[in-house]
Amino acid sequence: SQQGEEDPQALSIQEGENATMNCSYKTSINNLQWYRQNSGRGLVHLILIRSNEREKHSGRLRVTLDTSKKSSSLLITASRAADTASYFCATATNRDDKIIFGKGTRLHILP
Amino acid sequence: SQTIHQWPATLVQPVGSPLSLECTVEGTSNPNLYWYRQAAGRGLQLLFYSVGIGQISSEVPQNLSASRPQDRQFILSSKKLLLSDSGFYLCAWSLRGSDTQYFGPGTRLTVL
Repeated sequence: SQQGEEDPQALSIQEGENATMNCSYKTSINNLQWYRQNSGRGLVHLILIRSNEREKHSGRLRVTLDTSKKSSSLLITASRAADTASYFCATATNRDDKIIFGKGTRLHILP
Repeated sequence: SQTIHQWPATLVQPVGSPLSLECTVEGTSNPNLYWYRQAAGRGLQLLFYSVGIGQISSEVPQNLSASRPQDRQFILSSKKLLLSDSGFYLCAWSLRGSDTQYFGPGTRLTVL
């Protein structure tokens, strides 16, 4: 079953602009992760934020987590053509060894 | 450093034929292992995961099966493929106690 739901499903922005993607989930979580997938490739882990954290940064990435609203956002600043990819959120609970992925946001950076 | 291998990279099989996809991990011991399927333009569906040799948890009832004959080897199989088995199959591993997963390059399966 799908736990996370990304929004929007697709996003096109000009190179240099900031891109924001959102993820909503339904149940209590231990942590939330964001992954990137280039077309036809495997997923790459970007960042993990724990349930007791509100914001985390990694390079041009900024992730926020609002557990009261059961939502997270991923901000990519100063976008580049290489950021064109699909982005997925994934949630983990403390009940088992699996994480549940959302359906993803397809990001296209226009030159 | 750890690496994960999947093969083959692409596969075209007729309906009713058997399937065997292999995934191996190097550079770590006792990993958790996962098989996912991704339909075109869609999210990831967890098929199976394993926390140890011979221990397989099935997430979705279907005509696929998984086995873990060795600590770092995970195999996805089918006795008779269906058209609906077409998709992109991804293997992943994680350290015990960690939720971060590391993915292989994937296998593109087309069933005709």
